[in-house]
Amino acid sequence: ETGVTQSPTHLIKTRGQQVTLRCSSQSGHNTVSWYQQALGQGPQFIFQYYREEENGRGNFPPRFSGLQFPNYSSELNVNALELDDSALYLCASSLAQGQGSYEQYFGPGTRLTVT
Amino acid sequence: AQSVTQLGSHVSVSEGALVLLRCNYSSSVPPYLFWYVQYPNQGLQLLLKYTSAATLVKGINGFEAEFKKSETSFHLTKPSAHMSDAAEYFCAVRVRNGQNFVFGPGTRLSVLP
Repeated sequence: ETGVTQSPTHLIKTRGQQVTLRCSSQSGHNTVSWYQQALGQGPQFIFQYYREEENGRGNFPPRFSGLQFPNYSSELNVNALELDDSALYLCASSLAQGQGSYEQYFGPGTRLTVT
Repeated sequence: AQSVTQLGSHVSVSEGALVLLRCNYSSSVPPYLFWYVQYPNQGLQLLLKYTSAATLVKGINGFEAEFKKSETSFHLTKPSAHMSDAAEYFCAVRVRNGQNFVFGPGTRLSVLP
């Protein structure tokens, strides 16, 4: 069974630039969630994708957007990067509601630094 | 809105001592509850979960947690700490019929020799 993978591991960008982070879900999982974890804090929910559509969103501005592909992998895009976007971005995969499982499985994260 | 509080941002115990990490949640109905562990520069690993079956839940690495509805708590315990338990621990709640998890701020556990 393949776990959740994320790429790249680390990334350094300049304020105002755009970034794309990638995630491959665990085998058999059809739902992907993205979280932002600032240094010293708990993860904050950004959004979730199911059946290639956004299925819930946290308190993040529209410059945070995403995609899910037919193979359930996902991308997180952030436009007009700000210094406060520096964080660990975590992807988590799971089964959809009502499919018998409640937990999310997390990837190792992508560490984004904005200078 | 759901919220999770974890009392104590940093807990230190001696090797072999009892570990107790506190978690309280706010919810009008009992949610699903989880404990995750995060080692430095890694993602989150599921320790255990409560999904309305037994209120005392056993997880990996000797950890367990008890759901107490009257106290809206889900504290994590381990009878005897090991050096390898040093990490950041996060309590999380998932609303029934909800999509996302709400995480607490985390508790950093240090284990002293």
